[in-house]
Amino acid sequence: EAGVAQSPRYKIIEKRQSVAFWCNPISGHATLYWYQQILGQGPKLLIQFQNNGVVDDSQLPKDRFSAERLKGVDSTLKIQPAKLEDSAVYLCASSSIQGAHTEAFFGQGTRLTVV
Amino acid sequence: GNSVTQMEGPVTLSEEAFLTINCTYTATGYPSLFWYVQYPGEGLQLLLKATKADDKGSNKGFEATYRKETTSFHLEKGSVQVSDSAVYFCALGWMDSSYKLIFGSGTRLLVRP
Repeated sequence: EAGVAQSPRYKIIEKRQSVAFWCNPISGHATLYWYQQILGQGPKLLIQFQNNGVVDDSQLPKDRFSAERLKGVDSTLKIQPAKLEDSAVYLCASSSIQGAHTEAFFGQGTRLTVV
Repeated sequence: GNSVTQMEGPVTLSEEAFLTINCTYTATGYPSLFWYVQYPGEGLQLLLKATKADDKGSNKGFEATYRKETTSFHLEKGSVQVSDSAVYFCALGWMDSSYKLIFGSGTRLLVRP
């Protein structure tokens, strides 16, 4: 089966600019996660969708970050305006069953550098 | 709240050495435990998992046992290879209002020939 697809792989922007990342999860996966992975740290959950509804966005900096999941499939994560501390790898993951002890499948990530 | 703590890296070993990467957790209820691996330039991929106490997850020569009494899930391998060089993440999953998955800070393993 096809894996989680993310684009772009790399992005360099200046601070105060805006940027968007795209994720296409594995077909049929209801749960979609966006994680932020700062260099040398573990992934930190930003937002979690169940189908096209948000179930957890408690750690999303809502003054600058936004995300949506259209029709319960693809998702976009946007940062506007970007700050230097947003430099990180943004990982998208999906999983198939809510409530089960199931694994999450990850995309390759988008490496964002804010200069 | 729930959390995961891993030993800091990097861990540097010679080929064929024994590997242990420590992971401990704090959680209520009955979480699942995972080890993910991240090879250079790639995304995270599941290495192994255990869903209840005393379960042993295993894959590619790696093993980890879910120890509820010590709240641990240490990763072990009897003989590492250069190709095992990567960053290893311990993760905890549990059901809340939705299924949550959190990660430790990661441990970098470098295996030298």
